[in-house]
Amino acid sequence: DADVTQTPRNRITKTGKRIMLECSQTKGHDRMYWYRQDPGLGLRLIYYSFDVKDINKGEISDGYSVSRQAQAKFSLSLESAIPNQTALYFCATSDSRGNEQFFGPGTRLTVL
Amino acid sequence: GENVEQHPSTLSVQEGDSAVIKCTYSDSASNYFPWYKQELGKRPQLIIDIRSNVGEKKDQRIAVTLNKTAKHFSLHITETQPEDSAVYFCAASNLNSGTYKYIFGTGTRLKVLA
Repeated sequence: DADVTQTPRNRITKTGKRIMLECSQTKGHDRMYWYRQDPGLGLRLIYYSFDVKDINKGEISDGYSVSRQAQAKFSLSLESAIPNQTALYFCATSDSRGNEQFFGPGTRLTVL
Repeated sequence: GENVEQHPSTLSVQEGDSAVIKCTYSDSASNYFPWYKQELGKRPQLIIDIRSNVGEKKDQRIAVTLNKTAKHFSLHITETQPEDSAVYFCAASNLNSGTYKYIFGTGTRLKVLA
């Protein structure tokens, strides 16, 4: 089945370290999104991309960067991790109609 | 900025009773309203959605209603079952903008008591 996958699924790192979270999809979708989930705050958009040449900031992009290496791959980087970036991170995809976003399984990141 | 408020944050109901979750959006240009269910440790998954050209949509035990004038939309679950226990998120989007960004509510944790 076509799917959205994320690696790693869990990661513990230290303050100041650089970390990359990866997202791959086999759905053939052109739109990809990175969200952060915190208890009581819901899902907040970090970055989104329409294709490899189009990257856009979401509502909470500070401290994050992204790379769209191919239509199927969208990576999220934390250049210098800090403890308040501890959260559950989800990648999502949608087609050009945007009717439904399909989420990956999530990456639980802990920054000590 | 754009905002979606969701209430209540937690909801406990007896099995067989109904549950209602309410959301209010701020951007009057929003025209697509999906609802996602997230079971414990799982990814969010779409359960129902509604577009601004209809006022109500049903799918078996779940329904969504939309009041464009008041900028409110609600999720209704009837005859609740233990497997309905999860966190539910509403969202609003303007599909005409081309960005297809979702603004999510903060979530409602529904507990169905057996």
